[in-house]
Amino acid sequence: SQKIEQNSEALNIQEGKTATLTCNYTNYSPAYLQWYRQDPGRGPVFLLLIRENEKEKRKERLKVTFDTTLKQSLFHITASQPADSATYLCALDMDSSASKIIFGSGTRLSIRP
Amino acid sequence: DAGVIQSPRHEVTEMGQEVTLRCKPISGHNSLFWYRQTMMRGLELLIYFNNNVPIDDSGMPEDRFSAKMPNASFSTLKIQPSEPRDSAVYFCASSPLSGEQFFGPGTRLTVL
Repeated sequence: SQKIEQNSEALNIQEGKTATLTCNYTNYSPAYLQWYRQDPGRGPVFLLLIRENEKEKRKERLKVTFDTTLKQSLFHITASQPADSATYLCALDMDSSASKIIFGSGTRLSIRP
Repeated sequence: DAGVIQSPRHEVTEMGQEVTLRCKPISGHNSLFWYRQTMMRGLELLIYFNNNVPIDDSGMPEDRFSAKMPNASFSTLKIQPSEPRDSAVYFCASSPLSGEQFFGPGTRLTVL
């Protein structure tokens, strides 16, 4: 079955630096991969979706890469700010229908001033 | 649009009682998902619907759990009878054809 691995340990970054989070998967190659942000006590919020035929996608200070050979996605936040502190989840589709997705356990990111 | 609406936001009940969680998806979205989140197990998919039809309920833990979607604007997740190990945050999410999911605020369930 499909498995997703994200950095289990929290990531602490100095404000202004680039934060890089990793998402690795096994087995089935997804049609697309998504990244979500979750703040304490709230539901996940969709950030970016990248398809298997896309190498990179950007949205403001966010950048996502998708390497189907390495079975890995990298999520970058440039010029990080304390407000970026949250848990970030990657998710990918389970089957060709692309409706059902599974989530990784998430990486907690802390940006210190 | 107000986003995905869930009720109640908090529910405290005693073991053995029936619990019903409610969800109103975003209008126009064709898929609806029920998730459960705990510290130990993370975010788990319980069941999802496409166009009001249940597609995959393999994540439903036991027969005590059931879900319905009688129309495009309403879904329920029922636990009967509830047990302490059911304590978790339950999220409902809806999705358009493009795939990104929009989550509700969740229902925090505590079973004593």
